Amino acid sequence: DGGITQSPKYLFRKEGQNVTLSCEQNLNHDAMYWYRQDPGQGLRLIYYSQIVNDFQKGDIAEGYSVSREKKESFPLTVTSAQKNPTAFYLCASRPLSTGELFFGEGSRLTVL
Amino acid sequence: GENVEQHPSTLSVQEGDSAVIKCTYSDSASNYFPWYKQELGKRPQLIIDIRSNVGEKKDQRIAVTLNKTAKHFSLHITETQPEDSAVYFCAASLEDSSYKLIFGSGTRLLVRP
Repeated sequence: DGGITQSPKYLFRKEGQNVTLSCEQNLNHDAMYWYRQDPGQGLRLIYYSQIVNDFQKGDIAEGYSVSREKKESFPLTVTSAQKNPTAFYLCASRPLSTGELFFGEGSRLTVL
Repeated sequence: GENVEQHPSTLSVQEGDSAVIKCTYSDSASNYFPWYKQELGKRPQLIIDIRSNVGEKKDQRIAVTLNKTAKHFSLHITETQPEDSAVYFCAASLEDSSYKLIFGSGTRLLVRP
């Protein structure tokens, strides 16, 4: 069953703690993306990667970090420097041949 | 950088009526404009896209129009059905290797039976 998997689906953390969201895809897509979704603000780009061991900042990268050690995996770390981390996080992948993004089901992070 | 504005934020229509959602973009270099549909509790999915070399594209009950001069594009849904109820997002990007999509804020469409 091909697709893109995010985990965990729900996550609660205390303020000041770092947390890592997992994103795995078996679609053999080269590009991967992280978006943040807040009510009334649409999807905002955090980081994206077009190839292994390379990634670029999006519009709201401050307080986040990523790695791309494997083609299949693009984990996102929400650090304690992120001022408003409570949000819904969406990971997506894309084959190089098209512009279509394939999204995961998302991870909802709540910081208490 | 690119900025995409989307209107309206909510739209309620009677089943069978048409629905129109409009977006404007700021970067004249953008040349790829997709629309995504996100049903409640589900992931966004691409429903239609248009490139700047065409002015209109149709796929059954949905169509997208693009006015490059005015820098706006619209989604048209005809003969709306209850299953069309969802949040719709427009986006814009340069059609290069990155496809760095910038999304609008979304439109919540409710189709009343």
